[in-house]
Amino acid sequence: NAGVMQNPRHLVRRRGQEARLRCSPMKGHSHVYWYRQLPEEGLKFMVYLQKENIIDESGMPKERFSAEFPKEGPSILRIQQVVRGDSAAYFCASSQNSGNTEAFFGQGTRLTVV
Amino acid sequence: DQQVKQNSPSLSVQEGRISILNCDYTNSMFDYFLWYKKYPAEGPTFLISISSIKDKNEDGRFTVFLNKSAKHLSLHIVPSQPGDSAVYFCAASNFGNEKLTFGTGTRLTIIP
Repeated sequence: NAGVMQNPRHLVRRRGQEARLRCSPMKGHSHVYWYRQLPEEGLKFMVYLQKENIIDESGMPKERFSAEFPKEGPSILRIQQVVRGDSAAYFCASSQNSGNTEAFFGQGTRLTVV
Repeated sequence: DQQVKQNSPSLSVQEGRISILNCDYTNSMFDYFLWYKKYPAEGPTFLISISSIKDKNEDGRFTVFLNKSAKHLSLHIVPSQPGDSAVYFCAASNFGNEKLTFGTGTRLTIIP
């Protein structure tokens, strides 16, 4: 039973390019969460999605960031026109149910903007 | 506004002794608390959780204590083992709100 899979593990983008981060949840999990960890900080919530629905995007920056979790395929976190401040580790987590059940995290994607 | 605080960035403990990691929170709406362990270049791994209706939860070498009046929780690891060396994150949430609010982490080093 594969865990939460994120790819790529490392992503380098030049300023102004787009970054696409993918997350495949654990089998049977329909709840996906994205978190961002800046250097020397804790993880910060970005967005919570269920299949084809954004449930809570209160942690997403208002511009340039978007997320989706289509009916088929992985969840995608997209960052347009990346800036140096977007450099961080982005973690995806999934859970089977809602209601504070323990979420399982992927290994993260480390985005570096040069 | 840091709603979950881990005031000790690092902690060193002798192998076999007890490790105590602390966490404070400010939001009285939080009613569910979790501890995660994280190795470098990996995602956080769930360790143990506690709901606000309890004041203690135990799982093997790991025990979490919750003091609601002080808005404080702690993770006890006993006996500490070298494999416990990692960064430990405290996280909190409230019922009906799925997002976790994390502390900044405590780096635990177990000295052989």
